[in-house]
Amino acid sequence: GAVVSQHPSRVICKSGTSVKIECRSLDFQATTMFWYRQFPKQSLMLMATSNEGSKATYEQGVEKDKFLINHASLTLSTLTVTSAHPEDSSFYICSARRTGGVNTEAFFGQGTRLTVV
Amino acid sequence: AQSVAQPEDQVNVAEGNPLTVKCTYSVSGNPYLFWYVQYPNRGLQFLLKYITGDNLVKGSYGFEAEFNKSQTSFHLKKPSALVSDSALYFCAVSGNNRLAFGKGNQVVVIP
Repeated sequence: GAVVSQHPSRVICKSGTSVKIECRSLDFQATTMFWYRQFPKQSLMLMATSNEGSKATYEQGVEKDKFLINHASLTLSTLTVTSAHPEDSSFYICSARRTGGVNTEAFFGQGTRLTVV
Repeated sequence: AQSVAQPEDQVNVAEGNPLTVKCTYSVSGNPYLFWYVQYPNRGLQFLLKYITGDNLVKGSYGFEAEFNKSQTSFHLKKPSALVSDSALYFCAVSGNNRLAFGKGNQVVVIP
């Protein structure tokens, strides 16, 4: 299967600072990348969908100015949590979908455990 | 908007017994359905998908899923569960450039 690499796997930051999480598709071109947030023992909450070269589409209730998403190339998308607060602590997961539309599976990164202290 | 429902929080099954994880979907248009598995503190691994064709889809690690249009279901099955199958299982539906997940089912396989 295709490989999606997410970095870092764990990060601890101080309240008020910003954190950048990278998501790379290593062996395929990803037209679409998804960013999810997962709370303990809960489902994945879709935060935003990003298409290469265009602005991300955010889900209702997700602050676009707080969670900045950039999808500058077909192999890289970044999520920046700006002015992080303890309530932003969570498990963030990215996924990437090949060019081909809605019937292609998405491949997931390993996830990033963010802890804001 | 498309959605999936996974009605059970946890599924317990004895090792060697058949495993079923339930999923129902709601979507306008053709359904594109997926199953993923997640191990602790890891991303999701793709198991199988239904796009079109045969209603019985075979996937990784001996899993299969049956698409039932009349019941709008896509249940995941494995004939004989292993302890190593204990994990969190997610059903997902694709549409409108979104990939939406169910709440997940914790599967516990008892030795």
